[in-house]
Amino acid sequence: AQKVTQAQTEISVVEKEDVTLDCVYETRDTTYYLFWYKQPPSGELVFLIRRNSFDEQNEISGRYSWNFQKSTSSFNFTITASQVVDSAVYFCALSGWNTGNQFYFGTGTSLTVIP
Amino acid sequence: GAVVSQHPSRVICKSGTSVKIECRSLDFQATTMFWYRQFPKKSLMLMATSNEGSKATYEQGVEKDKFLINHASLTLSTLTVTSAHPEDSSFYICSAGSSGSSYNEQFFGPGTRLTVL
Repeated sequence: AQKVTQAQTEISVVEKEDVTLDCVYETRDTTYYLFWYKQPPSGELVFLIRRNSFDEQNEISGRYSWNFQKSTSSFNFTITASQVVDSAVYFCALSGWNTGNQFYFGTGTSLTVIP
Repeated sequence: GAVVSQHPSRVICKSGTSVKIECRSLDFQATTMFWYRQFPKKSLMLMATSNEGSKATYEQGVEKDKFLINHASLTLSTLTVTSAHPEDSSFYICSAGSSGSSYNEQFFGPGTRLTVL
């Protein structure tokens, strides 16, 4: 079974604070892909990152960083020095090799950055 | 990245009418397209998977006669909400998988907000 859990429903932080969004996944596939998307109020999904199961290197892109830990089946996302423009709903998603392109989305975390 | 468009972006219709939503892959061929539905403050719910030239595969609980999906070409899939009712009001998002992709990628359209009066 494929499943993604985002336990944090809503998070509020004050501007310039760091914030980590949690993502825990379940899969029986040995090859799989993990994704993070941002959904601003406009509704359009914005792709942030893709990581395959064989690449456990953490990644940093500007103020964004991702921590992939296979041992705990987690793929957490950290925003450093948050800004008001970061306010959005963030989705973590899983796609297993044996399920083709099908995505399994978490329930999303709504982030509000307070100026 | 690859571009997927959706038309219309927003539609308001009367109860009982049918609404067609188009999903196009603009710069790549999409062998597989997916249709999602999203309720306010909720996650994306996969409705169906469509492969070019064959019938769509619907997820459990999704009425195939209510939500007609056609994937007639490698760049176009359509979702028709037949005899729409207020409970069909939602945000519909399509995505397309590239036949040339080895990363299980999906490229998402900007979504269509349907309001049924």
